[in-house]
Amino acid sequence: DTAVSQTPKYLVTQMGNDKSIKCEQNLGHDTMYWYKQDSKKFLKIMFSYNNKELIINETVPNRFSPKSPDKAHLNLHINSLELGDSAVYFCASSRGLAGEPEQFFGPGTRLTVL
Amino acid sequence: LAKTTQPISMDSYEGQEVNITCSHNNIATNDYITWYQQFPSQGPRFIIQGYKTKVTNEVASLFIPADRKSSTLSLPRVSLSDTAVYYCLVGDTNAGKSTFGDGTTLTVKP
Repeated sequence: DTAVSQTPKYLVTQMGNDKSIKCEQNLGHDTMYWYKQDSKKFLKIMFSYNNKELIINETVPNRFSPKSPDKAHLNLHINSLELGDSAVYFCASSRGLAGEPEQFFGPGTRLTVL
Repeated sequence: LAKTTQPISMDSYEGQEVNITCSHNNIATNDYITWYQQFPSQGPRFIIQGYKTKVTNEVASLFIPADRKSSTLSLPRVSLSDTAVYYCLVGDTNAGKSTFGDGTTLTVKP
């Protein structure tokens, strides 16, 4: 069984569209994260949730809205997509509070905005 | 947040020991140091974590000097499959924030 799964794996869309990426973890972890990795491989945290509560909200446009229906899921909704949103988005989870060193990452979602 | 600095890239040959150093001059008291490995088209994978001195597991060793302003990931006897990007992560567990370094691309040659 996959520990942290994301769907879809690839997402190609037009500028201005709204899209969602889903993430699920079956590890029983309390904390989940969204990261953005750009073309230069820089990995930046976007959001973190602990038990469905927002813990970290880095400087991210408010077009990005995370939603955590339960502690096993953290979805990412993006409104009015822009070219600069093209990147690989990784979901991750960890056992304890946000910042727990050992994080388990999903396989990533490659978003391409045309 | 503690900023980290790593070499952009390193080359090595199969069977050699590889040491990758990460600088984190502003590391805080509560920060742990963690290293991740990332292969192309995959998410990062935890390698090792430490707070001070030396930590060793079945994959790597992590050396942290007394001042904790740097750390060195040591990979013994690398193979071609160790070619990957290695990230140094400094975590402030109390504030709930961690910062990934920019990563070191390790290329292992035959």
